[in-house]
Amino acid sequence: SYELTQPPSVSVSPGQTASITCSGDELGDKYVSWYLQKPGQSPVLVIYQDTKWPSGIPERFSGSNSGKTATLTISGTQAMDEADYYCQAWDSSTAVFGGGTKLTVL
Amino acid sequence: EVQLVESGGGLVQPGGSLRLSCAASGFNFSTYYMNWVRQAPGKGLEWVSYISSSSRTIAYADSVRGRFTISRDYAKNSLYLQMNSLRAEDTAVYHCARSSHDALDYWGQGTLVTVSS
Repeated sequence: SYELTQPPSVSVSPGQTASITCSGDELGDKYVSWYLQKPGQSPVLVIYQDTKWPSGIPERFSGSNSGKTATLTISGTQAMDEADYYCQAWDSSTAVFGGGTKLTVL
Repeated sequence: EVQLVESGGGLVQPGGSLRLSCAASGFNFSTYYMNWVRQAPGKGLEWVSYISSSSRTIAYADSVRGRFTISRDYAKNSLYLQMNSLRAEDTAVYHCARSSHDALDYWGQGTLVTVSS
C-alpha cells in the first residue's frame, strides 16, 4: 500500500521559516493537500492541489510538490501556528495521510 | 456556512455494531463526495471510506472493508457509517469530511467510538 513519510517533529523560532516535508513514491504525480490540527480540534485544510490556499488561510502558508517530496512552508511563523501537520494524497481511490509532524514554535 | 455534525458514537463491546451519522448543512450535499476519517487516541489521521456524489462509487480502507458500510440520504442531507464486527483497534474519533478539489475541505468535530468489554 502507498505510504507518505513525514518527520515526527520540526522546531522553529518565531518569525522564522518552517519547512515540513512529505515523501512518497512518484508523489509529484499526485495532488498533495496539507492540514493542521490543534489539540482537541478537527483538522483544517491549509493547502490543496499542491500550492493553492483555501479561503481564509494566510499566504504565509505555501506548498510545493516535485519528484518524491512535497513541502509545506510557513513563512514568518507565529506561535498560533504550533500544531500537528498532516500531508495527504490519493492513490488508487484511497486517501493516504502522512504520519503527521508536530511543529513547535519556540 | 458549511456545517458537518457527527453523532452516534459511544461505548460498544468487541464484535458489536454501531451506526454513525453526519448531518450536513450550508452546501449542496448532493453534489459532493463525502468521507469518513478516524483518529485513534494520540495517533494520526486514517482515512476510512468515501462515497461519491451519486452514491455509485464507494471505497474503503483495507482495515474496514467487509465490516463497515458507508451510505448517504439525500432527503436528510446525511452521511452514515454502519460499523459491524467492531474491534478494539476501531476505537477512535470518527470525522466526516467533505471532498473538494482532491482535498478534504470541511471536517466535522467528530464522534468518539470506544470498543471495549
